Amino acid sequence: AQSVTQPDIHITVSEGASLELRCNYSYGATPYLFWYVQSPGQGLQLLLKYFSGDTLVQGIKGFEAEFKRSQSSFNLRKPSVHWSDAAEYFCAVASISGGYQKVTFGIGTKLQVIP
Amino acid sequence: EAQVTQNPRYLITVTGKKLTVTCSQNMNHEYMSWYRQDPGLGLRQIYYSMNVEVTDKGDVPEGYKVSRKEKRNFPLILESPSPNQTSLYFCASSPDQGQGTPGYGYTFGSGTRLTVV
Repeated sequence: AQSVTQPDIHITVSEGASLELRCNYSYGATPYLFWYVQSPGQGLQLLLKYFSGDTLVQGIKGFEAEFKRSQSSFNLRKPSVHWSDAAEYFCAVASISGGYQKVTFGIGTKLQVIP
Repeated sequence: EAQVTQNPRYLITVTGKKLTVTCSQNMNHEYMSWYRQDPGLGLRQIYYSMNVEVTDKGDVPEGYKVSRKEKRNFPLILESPSPNQTSLYFCASSPDQGQGTPGYGYTFGSGTRLTVV
């Protein structure tokens, strides 16, 4: 069974500092990997996704993520965090099982940005 | 604007009183799904639908029903709500994933916060 682990439930960074949110997945084959962001009171918005090709993927809002097969990781990064990045971030893995897609989400990492 | 619309945004109800949360998408997506979000548990799938009249259970289907009579609509029905169904609910849609390509990702609605007292 596939699974996603986000080891950091809560992270605080200073505005302008760099950010890395960790995500580890468990899946037998090459997975489809996603990062979503949820701003307070909003639904989830897709930041970026990966299936194949370049292991460094660029997303919206200046985010990027790197797929490392050897570490089963798909960490999200941003060089300089803005106050508006304060939100909850979810990593997800998708696969096809029994003819239908199965998407598993991590429990989320809540990002606080301080001045 | 491409979107998934859920209604209502907030709902307080009493135990046992049937309710329906509506979900509609305007992107002609084949796949639709309902999730509930609870603190410390992330998002858990309740039901999903691959197409009109095709629905199946997710990870936590107990106490819920769905229907897919039209492609754009996917209502979530709680026939006899209980307090343990107090949660934040999200509807999501995605292009056809039936042939082994789940790589598009979801478009989510804004959520429905349900409180059952």
